[in-house]
Amino acid sequence: GNSVTQMEGPVTLSEEAFLTINCTYTATGYPSLFWYVQYPGEGLQLLLKATKADDKGSNKGFEATYRKETTSFHLEKGSVQVSDSAVYFCALRDTGTASKLTFGTGTRLQVTL
Amino acid sequence: NAGVTQTPKFQVLKTGQSMTLQCAQDMNHEYMSWYRQDPGMGLRLIHYSVGAGITDQGEVPNGYNVSRSTTEDFPLRLLSAAPSQTSVYFCASSYAGVRGELFFGEGSRLTVL
Repeated sequence: GNSVTQMEGPVTLSEEAFLTINCTYTATGYPSLFWYVQYPGEGLQLLLKATKADDKGSNKGFEATYRKETTSFHLEKGSVQVSDSAVYFCALRDTGTASKLTFGTGTRLQVTL
Repeated sequence: NAGVTQTPKFQVLKTGQSMTLQCAQDMNHEYMSWYRQDPGMGLRLIHYSVGAGITDQGEVPNGYNVSRSTTEDFPLRLLSAAPSQTSVYFCASSYAGVRGELFFGEGSRLTVL
């Protein structure tokens, strides 16, 4: 079956530091890949997505590239801010009418001044 | 811009009580689903539906019932609440048959004593 593995947190960084959160996946088909973000006390919001190999998703300074050869979708940001403190979830969705979203366990990011 | 609306946001139950979590979406999405979020486990799929009158089980369906009488609504029923059902529940929806993103509600925090 499909699965998503992402690095465990928490990740603690100083403001303006470079961020990488690793995500690898296993899928039987050709899935779409997503990063969702959850701010404290809130629901999940889509941060970015990529639907095919070599696509780069980007939003709010975050980027991730769909790498089929390494089955990876690592999240990066060049300079984090305190407001980026949240839990980040990597997810995939395969083809099919009833395809579900499969999540990683989430990585908590704490950015300090 | 209502999107996906969940009620209630908070609920405390005693063991053995029953209740219904409500979910409504106004985006005419065919696909609706319920997830539970537990620390260290990411989000796990409980039940899903690909249209009115059609429902199916996800990874963790035991102790929960769903129905889909309209496109807009997808209630989740706890038949006899147990402490193991203490969790945060999220409803999510999307168009069916495409590998697109899910749109999430703000969540319902349930505590079973």
